[in-house]
Amino acid sequence: DIVMTQSPDSLAVSLGERATINCKSSQSVLYSSNNYLAWYQHKPGQPPKLLFYWASTRESGVPDRFSGSGSGTDFTLTISSLQAEDVAVYYCQQYYSDLVTFGGGTKVEIK
Amino acid sequence: EVQMLDSGGGLVQPGGSLRLSCAASGFTFGISAMSWVRQAPGKGLEWVSTVSASGGTTHYPDSVKGRFTISRDNSKNTLYLQMNSLRAEDTALYYCAKGRYCGGGSCLAFDYWGQGTLVTVSS
Repeated sequence: DIVMTQSPDSLAVSLGERATINCKSSQSVLYSSNNYLAWYQHKPGQPPKLLFYWASTRESGVPDRFSGSGSGTDFTLTISSLQAEDVAVYYCQQYYSDLVTFGGGTKVEIK
Repeated sequence: EVQMLDSGGGLVQPGGSLRLSCAASGFTFGISAMSWVRQAPGKGLEWVSTVSASGGTTHYPDSVKGRFTISRDNSKNTLYLQMNSLRAEDTALYYCAKGRYCGGGSCLAFDYWGQGTLVTVSS
């Protein structure tokens, strides 16, 4: 199975500041120029929300302060200017393998 | 509007069985791969199973293989998860999730999710 490792486990960022979340896969999830990597935002009491697929393709309606980057085994989710409504747990997920796996999650809070 | 209504959760004793359902509407169910994802209390997301659009192919992690069976009825736009030999560690909120259309077919980035149905395994 492909293991997804996120860092940090949690981070506290001031409003308006940048938040950066890292995700590393145990093997490359790149195939035919596509990285099979998704990012989700999960708030309490709600289902997860898809933010990015193909590592950097923003889902419709996702604010452009969110960006996804990386390739191969190393990926990053960046929130350029943290807003109060961005408090959530963020997960990366690989779908390169039919045996889908998620990262452990990163909790983002306001400092 | 896409809607996915999970149901069937409840309290069950260890070794017991439950069948979850997910009634979908607002999209072409029969061309979408569908999955179940769970979240145990205080834990992260864990993928549980996937069924192809036709229903002909299924996948499971080792943690549930041989105990859980995913299926679908495309005539009823409904996804199922039959859970047997339940264990305490299966206690979780179970979500059904739709594979996104990614150009050329459905991929396993999940663009729509149900609200979740709670399964509690306890004596």
